[in-house]
Amino acid sequence: QKEVEQNSGPLSVPEGAIASLNCTYSDRGSQSFFWYRQYSGKSPELIMSIYSNGDKEDGRFTAQLNKASQYVSLLIRDSQPSDSATYLCAVNREGNNRLAFGKGNQVVVIP
Amino acid sequence: NAGVMQNPRHLVRRRGQEARLRCSPMKGHSHVYWYRQLPEEGLKFMVYLQKENIIDESGMPKERFSAEFPKEGPSILRIQQVVRGDSAAYFCASSSGTGYTGELFFGEGSRLTVL
Repeated sequence: QKEVEQNSGPLSVPEGAIASLNCTYSDRGSQSFFWYRQYSGKSPELIMSIYSNGDKEDGRFTAQLNKASQYVSLLIRDSQPSDSATYLCAVNREGNNRLAFGKGNQVVVIP
Repeated sequence: NAGVMQNPRHLVRRRGQEARLRCSPMKGHSHVYWYRQLPEEGLKFMVYLQKENIIDESGMPKERFSAEFPKEGPSILRIQQVVRGDSAAYFCASSSGTGYTGELFFGEGSRLTVL
């Protein structure tokens, strides 16, 4: 079982719609959860972090965490063409200095 | 991600040569992480260093790969006798280390191509 799984294939959404991305993780000791955005050929950029169960909103982005289900998601509201990128889910265990990343989900926003 | 400097941005090597990748952390950061991203793969942790110390190298291949972060100068990831499978993007990230929460700031990466 992979530490962090992002199983969905490329996601195409029309401009203005909501993009929904999901991520599951295997380590119940995980404490910190992150979403990074990576444009093609560029470096990952942190866009959201979440540490406790529930929702966390930041602008058009909402992260949702459910530790009981070992599940974290990212919603992008009012999707824009500039949101077209690969979104990487990352998980960290307290006291552990390495992030475990999923393979990423590609999002394509269609104007 | 501004401030983490990596060079070279692109590096081409022939099989058997050595590759040296350099990383200067963001100002004020003393913790450096190296990650590798193979084509169509996610980022894989390689090594975590503080100045003059390797803290966690659990993700480093056992052979040919080494890393250092000297007291002065950048962190260096060294790959000896490169093979085609080493072709990847190598990302460096840094953190302050204070109250570490897992938030990392990445450099633009060094893209290694092995011919």
